[in-house]
Amino acid sequence: DTEVTQTPKHLVMGMTNKKSLKCEQHMGHRAMYWYKQKAKKPPELMFVYSYEKLSINESVPSRFSPECPNSSLLNLHLHALQPEDSALYLCASSLLWGAGDVPDTQYFGPGTRLTVL
Amino acid sequence: AQTVTQSQPEMSVQEAETVTLSCTYDTSESDYYLFWYKQPPSRQMILVIRQEAYKQQNATENRFSVNFQKAAKSFSLKISDSQLGDAAMYFCAYPPREYGNKLVFGAGTILRVKS
Repeated sequence: DTEVTQTPKHLVMGMTNKKSLKCEQHMGHRAMYWYKQKAKKPPELMFVYSYEKLSINESVPSRFSPECPNSSLLNLHLHALQPEDSALYLCASSLLWGAGDVPDTQYFGPGTRLTVL
Repeated sequence: AQTVTQSQPEMSVQEAETVTLSCTYDTSESDYYLFWYKQPPSRQMILVIRQEAYKQQNATENRFSVNFQKAAKSFSLKISDSQLGDAAMYFCAYPPREYGNKLVFGAGTILRVKS
């Protein structure tokens, strides 16, 4: 099963709200990723977790707070977002991160479309 | 700096015909991998095909094949017998070894398929 699931599919929130995005995979992957994607643009990497530890933070504002409670689950906590944060948030996973000479294929979830009012 | 360039923002193809999407990249590595990802409207991104640079043979997956020209740093995607379901945004991507598994994406090409 090469499936990454994300909930919710859509989220509308005000600038003072706190919400969370959830991502789950059951492929035994040990690397999980958060991307932000604006319309008709490529995904931009935000965070990488490897073995439940944060490996990469691409200078993302602190109003985005990732969490990896276990190897199958990845959350993105949102607080005090700005309208320009409205985007499609994609989760992805791969077998490993940065190990060896062969990059592992990343499997993407369907995304959460976030609108910040 | 590692970059990936897709020079065609949009392409159109008639159903059942063949279309080629272009991608060029810049790298100082000799061994590396290249990917094409497909993102249909409101659907998730999936891997279409991947190419290993040290392999002479161009990768093929059913109707999808690549034309990999290592010296020219070109990695184009050919879609044969185009189907309506091929309509999507296509991204060329390259993971520089020094970045681990981080993908450097091209800007993308929107492919429209006409019936």
